Amino acid sequence: KNQVEQSPQSLIILEGKNCTLQCNYTVSPFSNLRWYKQDTGRGPVSLTIMTFSENTKSNGRYTATLDADTKQSSLHITASQLSDSASYICVVTLLGNAGKSTFGDGTTLTVKP
Amino acid sequence: DTAVSQTPKYLVTQMGNDKSIKCEQNLGHDTMYWYKQDSKKFLKIMFSYNNKELIINETVPNRFSPKSPDKAHLNLHINSLELGDSAVYFCASSQVYVTNEQFFGPGTRLTVL
Repeated sequence: KNQVEQSPQSLIILEGKNCTLQCNYTVSPFSNLRWYKQDTGRGPVSLTIMTFSENTKSNGRYTATLDADTKQSSLHITASQLSDSASYICVVTLLGNAGKSTFGDGTTLTVKP
Repeated sequence: DTAVSQTPKYLVTQMGNDKSIKCEQNLGHDTMYWYKQDSKKFLKIMFSYNNKELIINETVPNRFSPKSPDKAHLNLHINSLELGDSAVYFCASSQVYVTNEQFFGPGTRLTVL
């Protein structure tokens, strides 16, 4: 069964600190991996997208890495801000015309002042 | 301009009733989705339509029936509502044959009493 597992389930950090969220997947064949941010009460918003050949992608203070050999991805947040408090969801898409995506259960990040 | 819109934003109804949630996207995408996010914040795909044709239909009770009158609209009709149907329902759209990045609507919070 294709799965996407994220860790930790939840994380609390102080404002200004860095943190790293993990995503391990077994989805195969792999097309792309995306990280989404979901603020409370809103729909998820795409942060980064990486294809098989890419191993890093940045979006401001967010940097995603991908190791397609070990099937692992991480999302690094630098100099966290209160507005980074949200759920972060890893999504892996199958190769093929169905474009089926498998969602991880998310990591809930809380940034405290 | 809103990319993916849903109505209503909140829906409170009695058990046994029938209700519909509407979704529209103005991105010109060819694929639309419905997701259910439960109280644990896990996002689960329910349906996916590509060019008005059903391509993904996860294990969902047949009380849920999606209807796609055209590529820009995917409505969700729910019959005989149950307490367990209470959740936030998200509509999304994407261009499958490109990156398949999904753009989400703001969500509809359904509460069944």
